[in-house]
Amino acid sequence: EAGVTQFPSHSVIEKGQTVTLRCDPISGHDNLYWYRRVMGKEIKFLLHFVKESKQDESGMPNNRFLAERTGGTYSTLKVQPAELEDSGVYFCASSHRTDTDTQYFGPGTRLTVL
Amino acid sequence: GEDVEQSLFLSVREGDSSVINCTYTDSSSTYLYWYKQEPGAGLQLLTYIFSNMDMKQDQRLTVLLNKKDKHLSLRIADTQTGDSAIYFCAEFRGRSGTYKYIFGTGTRLKVLA
Repeated sequence: EAGVTQFPSHSVIEKGQTVTLRCDPISGHDNLYWYRRVMGKEIKFLLHFVKESKQDESGMPNNRFLAERTGGTYSTLKVQPAELEDSGVYFCASSHRTDTDTQYFGPGTRLTVL
Repeated sequence: GEDVEQSLFLSVREGDSSVINCTYTDSSSTYLYWYKQEPGAGLQLLTYIFSNMDMKQDQRLTVLLNKKDKHLSLRIADTQTGDSAIYFCAEFRGRSGTYKYIFGTGTRLKVLA
């Protein structure tokens, strides 16, 4: 069974540009989560999809971040326009059920904003 | 607050035991997890413990949970150089439609040969 995959693995962009990160969850997992780790700090929750619906987006930093999950399969996270403080590692995770299931994480996308 | 706290660094000699500590804040957390991140890799689930347990053992790994003090620890027996990584503890919060992990800052374990 394939795990959670993320693309790209690394992205280097300039301040003001747009970047789109992609996450493919484990097949059959309805729940998809985005987290990020900024500058060696803790990994922080961004948002949670159940199928194509946003269940909880309380961790999204501001309106420069837009997450979508059309069709309830893969998800994209767009940052527009990117700022220096957006640099970090963005992790995606998926789980089968919601309340008790373990979340399985992808390898992350390292974003560097110059 | 939401903070889950861990010490940032731990250094041990190969063959010794490592103990990584974590304190969390939400007494209603149902599950607590340990994840490992090796250089250049993603988060690998190591083990987890349900909140009604005090201890869980899995080969070289032992998890101890003190609910009264909200303290979680991960013991790695016979630590090897391949155990060098960042270890994250996480508490699961699932209530009122919100389901998320609250992570600590991670403890960087360095194993000296």
